[in-house]
Amino acid sequence: DAMVIQNPRYQVTQFGKPVTLSCSQTLNHNVMYWYQQKSSQAPKLLFHYYDKDFNNEADTPDNFQSRRPNTSFCFLDIRSPGLGDAAMYLCATSRGAPGQGVGYTFGSGTRLTVV
Amino acid sequence: GESVGLHLPTLSVQEGDNSIINCAYSNSASDYFIWYKQESGKGPQFIIDIRSNMDKRQGQRVTVLLNKTVKHLSLQIAATQPGDSAVYFCAENGAGNQFYFGTGTSLTVIP
Repeated sequence: DAMVIQNPRYQVTQFGKPVTLSCSQTLNHNVMYWYQQKSSQAPKLLFHYYDKDFNNEADTPDNFQSRRPNTSFCFLDIRSPGLGDAAMYLCATSRGAPGQGVGYTFGSGTRLTVV
Repeated sequence: GESVGLHLPTLSVQEGDNSIINCAYSNSASDYFIWYKQESGKGPQFIIDIRSNMDKRQGQRVTVLLNKTVKHLSLQIAATQPGDSAVYFCAENGAGNQFYFGTGTSLTVIP
């Protein structure tokens, strides 16, 4: 089945140690998004790729970076994780850009713990 | 920026009853809305969507109502089942090309 796959499901990292979360998709969608979701809160958009074009949200900290080497894969890099970065990180894809009336397909998320 | 808010953070209903989850949005330029269901430990799952040129849309056991006059969105679930227990988010595609999510309502179905 076509889907959005996030690995790993659970990630524990040390305070200040760089960590990378991965997302892959078999839907051939041209847009990929990364959301941060803290406990009992709504998902918050960090950035998205429209094809190869990177679009950062204005309030996304510089500590968060992303890479998209090809259509299928997108990575979230946290350069120096702090305790406040502990959250569920959700990857999503869509066929079109936000605003064109298309919905997202979400992965199951990676829960990041910072110790 | 735009904000999407929910009136009730929690909702408990008896199995078999109908559920109504409400959402208020602030951007009158928003033209597309989606309801998502998120079960514990999983990513949000698309339930139903509606465009701003409609005021009602029905799916299987779910209905979304849109009132643009008061910028209000609701999700109605008929004959609520235990499997409907989850957090429900409304989201909008605003004019700023960004997808905004509301705070979420936690629905608990009592057997």
